[in-house]
Amino acid sequence: KQEVTQIPAALSVPEGENLVLNCSFTDSAIYNLQWFRQDPGKGLTSLLLIQSSQREQTSGRLNASLDKSSGRSTLYIAASQPGDSATYLCAVYHSGTYKYIFGTGTRLKVLA
Amino acid sequence: SAVISQKPSRDICQRGTSLTIQCQVDSQVTMMFWYRQQPGQSLTLIATANQGSEATYESGFVIDKFPISRPNLTFSTLTVSNMSPEDSSIYLCSVIKDFEAFFGQGTRLTVV
Repeated sequence: KQEVTQIPAALSVPEGENLVLNCSFTDSAIYNLQWFRQDPGKGLTSLLLIQSSQREQTSGRLNASLDKSSGRSTLYIAASQPGDSATYLCAVYHSGTYKYIFGTGTRLKVLA
Repeated sequence: SAVISQKPSRDICQRGTSLTIQCQVDSQVTMMFWYRQQPGQSLTLIATANQGSEATYESGFVIDKFPISRPNLTFSTLTVSNMSPEDSSIYLCSVIKDFEAFFGQGTRLTVV
């Protein structure tokens, strides 16, 4: 059974810091991995989608990498801003079951 | 991409009653997914809904509690039956297109 874990569970950093969020999964048989952001009480906003054939994707200050063989993905946020404060979720699309399984989430707070 | 309309966006319900959540997609999709997000938690898949067949439920979720309809390729409903305060959560509808997940804005349910 696919299990997806995110570390740390919570993170508080001063504005301007570069930071890394981690996502690990137990079954490497995935089609792709997607990173989302969720603001309190809101729905999900897709940030980056990494296909299994790719190693990384970039969008603005965000960079996500994927290492299928080790079952890991990282989301790098450069020059963090208070507006980045949210919960970040990774989700893997399992090739055997054709559905997305979500990680446990990282709650980020960027202090002004 | 896919645009998903979900309603209601929120509701407050009395225990013992039922609530039906609707999900409309702007294009035809084979599978639609229903997730639950309990307070402070990540997303947990409830079931996968295919048009023309019974939904497939994940471990811990049963049809009597969460009946699902899928009358066509663009619409689905999830009913939360005989509600208790433990059912207070955000319920989200999702589809996958080109291996990317898209979500509705969610239904915030409070059971009193």
